Amino acid sequence: EAQVTQNPRYLITVTGKKLTVTCSQNMNHEYMSWYRQDPGLGLRQIYYSMNVEVTDKGDVPEGYKVSRKEKRNFPLILESPSPNQTSLYFCASSWTGVSYEQYFGPGTRLTVT
Amino acid sequence: AQTVTQSQPEMSVQEAETVTLSCTYDTSESDYYLFWYKQPPSRQMILVIRQEAYKQQNATENRFSVNFQKAAKSFSLKISDSQLGDAAMYFCARNSGNTPLVFGKGTRLSVIA
Repeated sequence: EAQVTQNPRYLITVTGKKLTVTCSQNMNHEYMSWYRQDPGLGLRQIYYSMNVEVTDKGDVPEGYKVSRKEKRNFPLILESPSPNQTSLYFCASSWTGVSYEQYFGPGTRLTVT
Repeated sequence: AQTVTQSQPEMSVQEAETVTLSCTYDTSESDYYLFWYKQPPSRQMILVIRQEAYKQQNATENRFSVNFQKAAKSFSLKISDSQLGDAAMYFCARNSGNTPLVFGKGTRLSVIA
């Protein structure tokens, strides 16, 4: 089954404790992206990747890191989480090109206390 | 910044009736696609319908159709014969060559039995 998986689905952590949210897709998509969703703000892009070893900042990259060492994986790293990073996070992937829909993972609910 | 605007934070519709969700966008690109995504309470992002900017004909998918007004940069979603399962957040999004997918802030649709 074609899918995007994220882990963990839920995470409660404390300020400053490094964490990684994994994202993996099995569709051989070149493009992958991370979004955060906050009430009243919609989905905002954090980082995206056009292909292996190619990443770029989205609209809200501060406090986040990413890497793309393999085509299928695109982890999101929070080196020192803060409470304002409490949010719902989505990973997505697609073929490269404006016409292609993005396939979304199930979301990760992160709470930073 | 190139934006997508959904001016209706919340809408409601009676079951079996028709509802229209509004979306306007801003872009300087000539080649772009527009999308409507649905997010039910499960949080999964589901593609509802897409529209290519070059096509004059409005896209239709079963009970879902769009009214695409390119000159006005308007892209509304019409849901006919509304069902209880249509209750969700709906996000309008624009994808163009030089800018990654940009989402509106969403419209929460309630369906009244």
